[in-house]
Amino acid sequence: DADVTQTPRNRITKTGKRIMLECSQTKGHDRMYWYRQDPGLGLQLIYYSFDVKDINKGEISDGYSVSRQAQAKFSLSLESAIPNQTALYFCATSEGTGGVETQYFGPGTRLLVL
Amino acid sequence: DAKTTQPPSMDCAEGRAANLPCNHSTISGNEYVYWYRQIHSQGPQYIIHGLKNNETNEMASLIITEDRKSSTLILPHATLRDTAVYYCIVRVFFTGNQFYFGTGTSLTVIP
Repeated sequence: DADVTQTPRNRITKTGKRIMLECSQTKGHDRMYWYRQDPGLGLQLIYYSFDVKDINKGEISDGYSVSRQAQAKFSLSLESAIPNQTALYFCATSEGTGGVETQYFGPGTRLLVL
Repeated sequence: DAKTTQPPSMDCAEGRAANLPCNHSTISGNEYVYWYRQIHSQGPQYIIHGLKNNETNEMASLIITEDRKSSTLILPHATLRDTAVYYCIVRVFFTGNQFYFGTGTSLTVIP
């Protein structure tokens, strides 16, 4: 979905390096999410933010941090990358009306930690 | 949020209807059923959602049993481009919780 962009799309880094993955959206949604996906598995939630001042840990937040710089921007950082953080990372936004919430995903960032 | 159970994989002949089941026996009264799909490492894509009634849109139909403990996503005329992993999710808005994607059903459409 072109309304949710992620940079970089691919990244190779070394163990111990700090790396930031960025997500931008033009959909005007308040809610944003970061997921990781390991090969053959479903998505696991890392962090989510319901607005600029609200950030929450997901099920696998250890080793990650986030920053919600603006409504449209939500960044994920690996302070000291390790090989088992090699994965596909997705950013998502969502909107909700009448009790229904629909998520919109970015194209993903493929990260390899050597 | 209620968890779901889906078969890990299914095949469907091209042009035929693909019927993907999902069990959500612990669903609560205010939880919606959502379906998403993920085509080969792309970001998941929303397909359809429902609460009690059957739903249809341009992509698919969703059949929810009367007791709401299971549902079926129907792709009426599957094409090769429908080959993907399909996720069934149940969730209620404003729970402060996440969508639980699970491992989904890998659908292969066979020529």
